[in-house]
Amino acid sequence: EVQLVQSGAAVRKPGESLKISCQGAGYTFSSYWIAWVRQMPGKGPEWMGIVYPGDSDTRYSPSFQGQVTFSVDKSISSAYLQLSSLKASDNAMYFCARRSGDGYSYDFWGQGTLVTVSS
Amino acid sequence: DIQLTQSPSFLSASVGDRVTIACRASQDVNKYLAWYQQKPGKAPKVLIYAESTLQSGVPSRFSGSGSGTEFTLTISGLQPEDFATYFCQQLKSYPITFGQGTRLEIK
Repeated sequence: EVQLVQSGAAVRKPGESLKISCQGAGYTFSSYWIAWVRQMPGKGPEWMGIVYPGDSDTRYSPSFQGQVTFSVDKSISSAYLQLSSLKASDNAMYFCARRSGDGYSYDFWGQGTLVTVSS
Repeated sequence: DIQLTQSPSFLSASVGDRVTIACRASQDVNKYLAWYQQKPGKAPKVLIYAESTLQSGVPSRFSGSGSGTEFTLTISGLQPEDFATYFCQQLKSYPITFGQGTRLEIK
């Protein structure tokens, strides 16, 4: 069974950083792109970017370029989203999602990681 | 960027109804259009991909149609578990974009 399991909810102070993990299971992790999606309270999903675990090829959304960093560790089938210099406006749910092999959808999603930034 | 405009933003319907949600793209997405269902506090779940292909395990009351820039998600015979928010997504080009969502509520 394909699964993406994300790290748990996190609370940080403004200016701090956070690394969210997304561990894949049940498939060949290095062969499928992993996307990161932000969803602010009451809003629609926003695409942050995507990374290919096989060679770490990465595409960032212009809206998030320079604000976030993606990384992978193939040895443990994990992808990471680094958020730096957190602000209150970073309060959101963050999802990882697997792009399907044919590229027509995001077929499996992590459960989401709720990030709260508060002083 | 490819913009996706969904309509309506809010829809009120009853169990058993047939409902239609529209998604218009600002340019041709060449079949790279998917539909998702999302319930509060949960991740989106893909329903339809490649404009009209039903994702495995999704009930046949969900269907997708359209081409180019105009797409439709239809739910025939609403069930209580279908009351949720629905999003379209284009995967034709980066940055990937989503529609703003359609919230389907029980009348």
